[in-house]
Amino acid sequence: EPEVTQTPSHQVTQMGQEVILRCVPISNHLYFYWYRQILGQKVEFLVSFYNNEISEKSEIFDDQFSVERPDGSNFTLKIRSTKLEDSAMYFCASFGLEGSTDTQYFGPGTRLTVL
Amino acid sequence: DQQVKQNSPSLSVQEGRISILNCDYTNSMFDYFLWYKKYPAEGPTFLISISSIKDKNEDGRFTVFLNKSAKHLSLHIVPSQPGDSAVYFCAASANAGGTSYGKLTFGQGTILTVHP
Repeated sequence: EPEVTQTPSHQVTQMGQEVILRCVPISNHLYFYWYRQILGQKVEFLVSFYNNEISEKSEIFDDQFSVERPDGSNFTLKIRSTKLEDSAMYFCASFGLEGSTDTQYFGPGTRLTVL
Repeated sequence: DQQVKQNSPSLSVQEGRISILNCDYTNSMFDYFLWYKKYPAEGPTFLISISSIKDKNEDGRFTVFLNKSAKHLSLHIVPSQPGDSAVYFCAASANAGGTSYGKLTFGQGTILTVHP
């Protein structure tokens, strides 16, 4: 069964450092997303990406964040200068039609810890 | 942001009985609703969805009911099994033509525990 994969599973970084979180969406999907979940809080939308550009972003997704699809398979989230409050689980998702249902499929997440 | 609310943080049910998880929303523009299940250290797994043009969708042991006038949806699991124990998230999408390609707004989640 096709699945979204994410690497690394856990990333520890120092405040102020840059991090890149990587995702491989399901191969025939065309819409890609990043969400995050701070411990004990809701899953929150960060950004959606379609046709090589951002289609929507939340207030959280400020100038410190960027996304890229550098090749035909990877989708990345970069945080330029991490803050303590960026510590969270980051989930990548992709959207497509599977059988008779179209929905967003989520990866297992990357736990980002900023020290 | 309280557009999607799950007011019950937890639910405990006996194996074989029905589990009913509830979700309320405030945004009238939501036109597609989904339930996801999540185990610790894993991403949300899609369970079942419903478009706003329907009031019920069924898939095996899982049924989702939508009451648009009350802005309420519920997930029924029957019969409940111990393997169903997980966190259940309600999510909604707006103006996506009855699909979920738009951003998803999640509820806080309900922890379901099914006892053998």
